[in-house]
Amino acid sequence: GAGVSQSPRYKVAKRGQDVALRCDPISGHVSLFWYQQALGQGPEFLTYFQNEAQLDKSGLPSDRFFAERPEGSVSTLKIQRTQQEDSAVYLCASSPDPLLSYEQYFGPGTRLTVT
Amino acid sequence: DAKTTQPNSMESNEEEPVHLPCNHSTISGTDYIHWYRQLPSQGPEYVIHGLTSNVNNRMASLAIAEDRKSSTLILHRATLRDAAVYYCIPDYGGATNKLIFGTGTLLAVQP
Repeated sequence: GAGVSQSPRYKVAKRGQDVALRCDPISGHVSLFWYQQALGQGPEFLTYFQNEAQLDKSGLPSDRFFAERPEGSVSTLKIQRTQQEDSAVYLCASSPDPLLSYEQYFGPGTRLTVT
Repeated sequence: DAKTTQPNSMESNEEEPVHLPCNHSTISGTDYIHWYRQLPSQGPEYVIHGLTSNVNNRMASLAIAEDRKSSTLILHRATLRDAAVYYCIPDYGGATNKLIFGTGTLLAVQP
């Protein structure tokens, strides 16, 4: 079946531009996570949704980062006024059951480069 | 603070077993231990998880020390496709089940 998809796969933005990154989770998955992965590092948690509710946004690095999942399926991560330090791979993951979220299914990521 | 320690890198030969160690000395009694791996240019993928007993699945085996302060991921016969970064992730994530990755172990597999 279809896995988690993300678009675009690559994004180049000039410093100061706004960007929007899309995640299509596996159909029916309740939980959705966003992670940020800098070069040579492991992914770092950004935010978590259970259906449309954003239950944890403790990892968002600044108020320039905003995520939404209005209908409990597709999610968008928006970064306003991008900075060079925002350059990273942004990974989305989904999981079927919040009580059994041991296995998260990751998308291929969006590589954001801020110039 | 919770701390996980893994070797930065390991090497193996194709078709030989690989033992990937992880120390998680501050793990609590109810924290699961998860392993994920990340192939080049891909998102991480789930490998295995366990609590106390050793676990086996089609991808690997997980051996958990009796005191649970360490665990070992075992690939029984490494293939070139197993070259990846392997992350050991004790379940420090709390109620949301977020994964807290470290830097992992980069496994190189030689033909």
